[in-house]
Amino acid sequence: KQEVTQIPAALSVPEGENLVLNCSFTDSAIYNLQWFRQDPGKGLTSLLLIQSSQREQTSGRLNASLDKSSGRSTLYIAASQPGDSATYLCAARDYGGSQGNLIFGKGTKLSVKP
Amino acid sequence: EPEVTQTPSHQVTQMGQEVILRCVPISNHLYFYWYRQILGQKVEFLVSFYNNEISEKSEIFDDQFSVERPDGSNFTLKIRSTKLEDSAMYFCASSDLGRGQGSSYNEQFFGPGTRLTVL
Repeated sequence: KQEVTQIPAALSVPEGENLVLNCSFTDSAIYNLQWFRQDPGKGLTSLLLIQSSQREQTSGRLNASLDKSSGRSTLYIAASQPGDSATYLCAARDYGGSQGNLIFGKGTKLSVKP
Repeated sequence: EPEVTQTPSHQVTQMGQEVILRCVPISNHLYFYWYRQILGQKVEFLVSFYNNEISEKSEIFDDQFSVERPDGSNFTLKIRSTKLEDSAMYFCASSDLGRGQGSSYNEQFFGPGTRLTVL
């Protein structure tokens, strides 16, 4: 059964710093991996989707990588801003027995201090 | 930009009452999902829906839950007799491709959620 873990659970950085959020998954047979942002009490905003055949995806200051063999993905945020403060979730979509539902990690709560 | 919408944003109900949560998926999407997030916990899959039938459901999605697409735009989740432990944020999502269609899936887009409070 696929399990997704995110470390650290919380991260506080000063504005302008580059940072990396980590996501690991137990079963490497995934279709894709999706990163989301969640603001307090709000919905999930899709940030990046990496297909299983890809190694990375970029959108603006965000870069997500995928290493299926090691069961890891990272989300790199360049030049962090206070507006980046939120919880970041990764979710894997796998083959095993599912029709395409996402399996989520618990998230990393990011705080960017001005 | 098209988005998934959900109503109501907050629903308060008494234990044992029926609730219906409503979602309008993105118009050209064919796959629909419900997820829930109990406060402080992971987002959990409930059910997926395609071609007017359930594709898959988790063990959370027991006989108290049902889903329906009553018309061409709405997608609903019904909880027949709510329990205290059903209190959670419920998210609807949609995507335009599913498993088996080519080598990849497209993104799932989520609505803002309905916060359900069962008293």
